[in-house]
Amino acid sequence: ETGVTQTPRHLVMGMTNKKSLKCEQHLGHNAMYWYKQSAKKPLELMFVYSLEERVENNSVPSRFSPECPNSSHLFLHLHTLQPEDSALYLCASSQDAGQAYYGYTFGSGTRLTVV
Amino acid sequence: GENVEQHPSTLSVQEGDSAVIKCTYSDSASNYFPWYKQELGKGPQLIIDIRSNVGEKKDQRIAVTLNKTAKHFSLHITETQPEDSAVYFCAARDFNKFYFGSGTKLNVKP
Repeated sequence: ETGVTQTPRHLVMGMTNKKSLKCEQHLGHNAMYWYKQSAKKPLELMFVYSLEERVENNSVPSRFSPECPNSSHLFLHLHTLQPEDSALYLCASSQDAGQAYYGYTFGSGTRLTVV
Repeated sequence: GENVEQHPSTLSVQEGDSAVIKCTYSDSASNYFPWYKQELGKGPQLIIDIRSNVGEKKDQRIAVTLNKTAKHFSLHITETQPEDSAVYFCAARDFNKFYFGSGTKLNVKP
């Protein structure tokens, strides 16, 4: 385990369902991120939270809704998804979104399949 | 914004040989370059990084080199082992955002 835990590991959902992805870190980091990883494409940054405040929203469709209730937890709420949203969703944390020299700690991801 | 290109997309080497993965970036303002290893079923894990004021960094069998003038950086793995088989990602940090390469799938044949 890396210190960043994501649940569930796998999720299959229909296009009309509502589900949530959960991410939890106990590393004392104050920035958290959602990334989308699709086959043969670079990691796509979706959302950034720094000190529980959303500081980045990379033109993500509204069917993805993030929530950061505290510095240790991050959620991604999903509703009315499309098949092209099927991907590995990765959560990451870092010491501070503004610091130049800290890498990310990633979770193992949630493999999402939209049917 | 920054653009990071990574080559090759796949790399196959014999156990014991060296492997080199190369990345280029476009924005000279980028100042931090981490490398991640992603094994099957896991998230990417940071394996080595380099700051823009350093030309080379080594950690046991892995090393990273940076050429700021040419805007490229490389990952070098020596004496490869089967457990080195994974997907490797480079990244460049521009202000407060990371930009990732598209990944290199390394296969080390025993």
